[in-house]
Amino acid sequence: DQQVKQNSPSLSVQEGRISILNCDYTNSMFDYFLWYKKYPAEGPTFLISISSIKDKNEDGRFTVFLNKSAKHLSLHIVPSQPGDSAVYFCAANTGTASKLTFGTGTRLQVTL
Amino acid sequence: DAGVIQSPRHEVTEMGQEVTLRCKPISGHDYLFWYRQTMMRGLELLIYFNNNVPIDDSGMPEDRFSAKMPNASFSTLKIQPSEPRDSAVYFCASSRVGLHYEQYFGPGTRLTVT
Repeated sequence: DQQVKQNSPSLSVQEGRISILNCDYTNSMFDYFLWYKKYPAEGPTFLISISSIKDKNEDGRFTVFLNKSAKHLSLHIVPSQPGDSAVYFCAANTGTASKLTFGTGTRLQVTL
Repeated sequence: DAGVIQSPRHEVTEMGQEVTLRCKPISGHDYLFWYRQTMMRGLELLIYFNNNVPIDDSGMPEDRFSAKMPNASFSTLKIQPSEPRDSAVYFCASSRVGLHYEQYFGPGTRLTVT
């Protein structure tokens, strides 16, 4: 069963606008969440993370929001740039082990 | 740092053949992870090691898959015999305690089994 779900396989956004990528989880033991970005023919690279004790973490154009009661997190990219076009993976960790549980990914395309 | 190194980058083999994928983690990292990426299931964790010891292999799909880490700088993932449904991109990643679970991924090996 998918404990981390990204229900939108793809998203298209115009350059300069906001991109919002969503992620839902089912395991209430998850207490640390990460977003990874993946370009074609490359491995995923770490983008931003958030601990369950926070509800928001910001790094430049990227902000992650966490709603623990809804078991939902989102990644906001403002403003979106063509170089942001990639697959974005949401991941979660229980804090008791080093392994991450990943979602299936959302392909973001930023158009001119 | 050179990052996580994987070889080969591409592998095409026939059903029934043995396949060996290789990984060199980042120096100083004490965790190593093997993942498989497919369209349907995204990134699946197959197995991970801590200080060269397998900790969790619950994601290994079946006995045809095996992984070893003989030392801190080398790991292999072997599939024997390979089947067409094993076709996927296999990633190796490494991390270090204290890095807030951030994992560093290699470029992956694209495996095609015909």
